[in-house]
Formats: sequence, structure tokens, C-alpha cells
Amino acid sequence: DGGITQSPKYLFRKEGQNVTLSCEQNLNHDAMYWYRQDPGQGLRLIYYSQIVNDFQKGDIAEGYSVSREKKESFPLTVTSAQKNPTAFYLCASSLRNRNQPQHFGDGTRLSIL
Amino acid sequence: GNSVTQMEGPVTLSEEAFLTINCTYTATGYPSLFWYVQYPGEGLQLLLKATKADDKGSNKGFEATYRKETTSFHLEKGSVQVSDSAVYFCALSVPLLNAGGTSYGKLTFGQGTILTVHP
Repeated sequence: DGGITQSPKYLFRKEGQNVTLSCEQNLNHDAMYWYRQDPGQGLRLIYYSQIVNDFQKGDIAEGYSVSREKKESFPLTVTSAQKNPTAFYLCASSLRNRNQPQHFGDGTRLSIL
Repeated sequence: GNSVTQMEGPVTLSEEAFLTINCTYTATGYPSLFWYVQYPGEGLQLLLKATKADDKGSNKGFEATYRKETTSFHLEKGSVQVSDSAVYFCALSVPLLNAGGTSYGKLTFGQGTILTVHP
């Protein structure tokens, strides 16, 4: 079955450490997205990519970085510059059309040690 | 800018009760509208969508009608079940053009409404 796989499900970060969250999709979607979800809040867009080797900042990109070297993969790095990284991170993908829904992974929960 | 406002929760209902979750939006351009559902510890799943005015999206007994005159997309279900307990998100997508002329959309989400259904 096609879908989006995020790993790991739980991740712990030490102070001053960079961590990378994995996102892989086999839906043949061009567009991929990273969101951050905090308790009681909606989803906020971190970065998005419409095509391989291209990506754009979302609403809260500071302290995060991404790469898009393959169509199937869109890893997110949470850098030490992100001072409040504890959150639930969701990856999504879609066809490049505004009427098409985004498909989501099951998320990675990041916590600070 | 674009924004989505949902009714504040949490919403607590008894099984078989009628459900309404209000959603209103502001958008530049002509958005597509979506409802997503999130079960505990999981990602979001598309529940239903509508792409033009007066369209009605429906799925699993849920429905919502795209009302351009009131800029609303309220979610309804006639008889809820315990298994409907989840967080519900309203979202909109507006058309954007990339350099190649292809239309794509960025989603703007509401803050989510927690629904709890008791037996």
C-alpha cells in the first residue's frame, strides 16, 4: 500500500544537538510538507517542497532545515538554533494541485532531555 | 492573508447526538476547503473536501457544504458514535502558481476542535 512513513515515532534531543526526522513517501507525489503541531494549536507550516532540489520556507522556518534530493524523501533537521523544539512533527505530501488533499504520516514526537 | 476559525472546544456529546462544528474562513482568491480528522497519536486523515461554492463534501456520515456567501464550511453528522472521538481540523487551500505555471496549494489550518463522544 502507498503511504508516508515517518521515523522515528519518538525522538529525544539533548541541548545543543541537531536531530533529523525522516519522511519517505511512495505515493509518487511531487509536493511534500513539514508541519509542527503544539498542544491546542493547529498545524503550522515549517517548510515545503514542490519539486526535487527545490524548497521554500513556511511560516516558522527559523531553527529548521530541509533537503529534497529525491522525490520520495524530505528529511527535516531540527537545529540547536530552535530553542523550543518540543512538539509533534507531521510530514505530508500531495499532488501539485490545490484541489488535491495532502496525505499525512503518523508523526514524530520530539522531546528535550 | 488567509485564515480559518473553528468553534472552540472541547465538544462533548452522548452517542447518537447531532454534531455541528463551525468553521469560517477568510481567503484571497477562491479556496478549496477540507476537513481532516486526527485520532490520538496519529497523523491527519482527510475526512471530506469541497472545491467550489455550494459543493457538499460527505464521508462516513459526515458532511459539510461550501457556503461562499457566509464564508463557512460547517461540519455536521446526524448521529455520532464513540469511535468519532478525535480532533477535527478545518483547512483551506488557495491556488498558487509556481515558476512552471502549475497550480498548487498550501494548506491553512484552523486550531482544531476536540470531540469526545460518551456511550
